[in-house]
Amino acid sequence: AQSVSQHNHHVILSEAASLELGCNYSYGGTVNLFWYVQYPGQHLQLLLKYFSGDPLVKGIKGFEAEFIKSKFSFNLRKPSVQWSDTAEYFCATMTGTASKLTFGTGTRLQVTL
Amino acid sequence: DGGITQSPKYLFRKEGQNVTLSCEQNLNHDAMYWYRQDPGQGLRLIYYSQIVNDFQKGDIAEGYSVSREKKESFPLTVTSAQKNPTAFYLCASRGNGGPYSNQPQHFGDGTRLSIL
Repeated sequence: AQSVSQHNHHVILSEAASLELGCNYSYGGTVNLFWYVQYPGQHLQLLLKYFSGDPLVKGIKGFEAEFIKSKFSFNLRKPSVQWSDTAEYFCATMTGTASKLTFGTGTRLQVTL
Repeated sequence: DGGITQSPKYLFRKEGQNVTLSCEQNLNHDAMYWYRQDPGQGLRLIYYSQIVNDFQKGDIAEGYSVSREKKESFPLTVTSAQKNPTAFYLCASRGNGGPYSNQPQHFGDGTRLSIL
């Protein structure tokens, strides 16, 4: 069965610090990869996605992620975080004919002023 | 505006009671999904449906049931057999494009279910 690991459960950063959240997946075949964000009190939103092509994917709000096939990783990065980036971040893979998503356990990011 | 509507936002269940969570979408999406979110566990798939009148069990289907009589609607019933129903429930739908479609899933605002 597929699995997704997010090793950072809770990250606290000061504004303007750089961010990198780790994501590793277990599936060895073709995967589609996603990062979703859940701001406090809001629904889950898509940050970015990777299907094929350039392994460096740019998303909304200045986020980017790099797909490294040899490491089964899809880490999320942002050069300079803002207080408004405080949220929970989920990495997910999508496989199979039903396009089911398998989620990681999430990383709670807290950005302090 | 097109989107996914979940209701109610908060729901309370008594012991031994079945409750039904509503999920409606006006995106004309074929596929719909139900997830359960628990603190520290991420989201886990309960049931999914790729087309009207068809649905499949996900990873944690025990104690839940669904129906898909209309394309727009995918209600989830939490039965009394679900021993630990307190959680945040999220409904999602996915754009069309065939079985290997790489369309992302779009999520509703969720329903928080608690036991009285």
